[in-house]
Amino acid sequence: QQPVQSPQAVILREGEDAVINCSSSKALYSVHWYRQKHGEAPVFLMILLKGGEQKGHEKISASFNEKKQQSSLYLTASQLSYSGTYFCGTGAAGNKLTFGGGTRVLVKP
Amino acid sequence: KAGVTQTPRYLIKTRGQQVTLSCSPISGHRSVSWYQQTPGQGLQFLFEYFSETQRNKGNFPGRFSGRQFSNSRSEMNVSTLELGDSALYLCASSLEGQATYEQYFGPGTRLTVT
Repeated sequence: QQPVQSPQAVILREGEDAVINCSSSKALYSVHWYRQKHGEAPVFLMILLKGGEQKGHEKISASFNEKKQQSSLYLTASQLSYSGTYFCGTGAAGNKLTFGGGTRVLVKP
Repeated sequence: KAGVTQTPRYLIKTRGQQVTLSCSPISGHRSVSWYQQTPGQGLQFLFEYFSETQRNKGNFPGRFSGRQFSNSRSEMNVSTLELGDSALYLCASSLEGQATYEQYFGPGTRLTVT
């Protein structure tokens, strides 16, 4: 079953913060985050493993709550380059990765 | 290191035909996964190959098939094309497995079925 991402879309002004959530009904051992810009392939941002530490990438960080089967992606002091669609992918039993429906982020000047 | 390459980049086919798409992973990567992306549907997982064996499969009909060669290159085939098969097909490679290692995506093959 596909993880659920929220919100579906968010509009920010440059410098503002945002949080994207990813929830699954399955027990997870990994969460991936990818960003896809229009007309381009998804690009890996970070991976969080069960029992691992919170990861960061520039001013983008993420957390993984194993008990709640949830992950959150934090966009801090957003830049124009952060615009795109963010996908979470959840790794569960069987070594299978399932992607959520995506969150569209638009950062305006 | 060279990235993931996919050929062809664009394809136009007619309903009922079949098509073969190719993916060359990053050197040293043994896992190749295929995804279908359509507007509003996100990334739908097709299958994953690891060391020439299909390790995982998504919920797609048997018209979608794939294989992996000993050099880790992979192909996917779609037979008896339908209009609904029009999509961007992405492949991604990872070192060992899609769930625990980062994936690197190719630029995709855009398939249009008329």
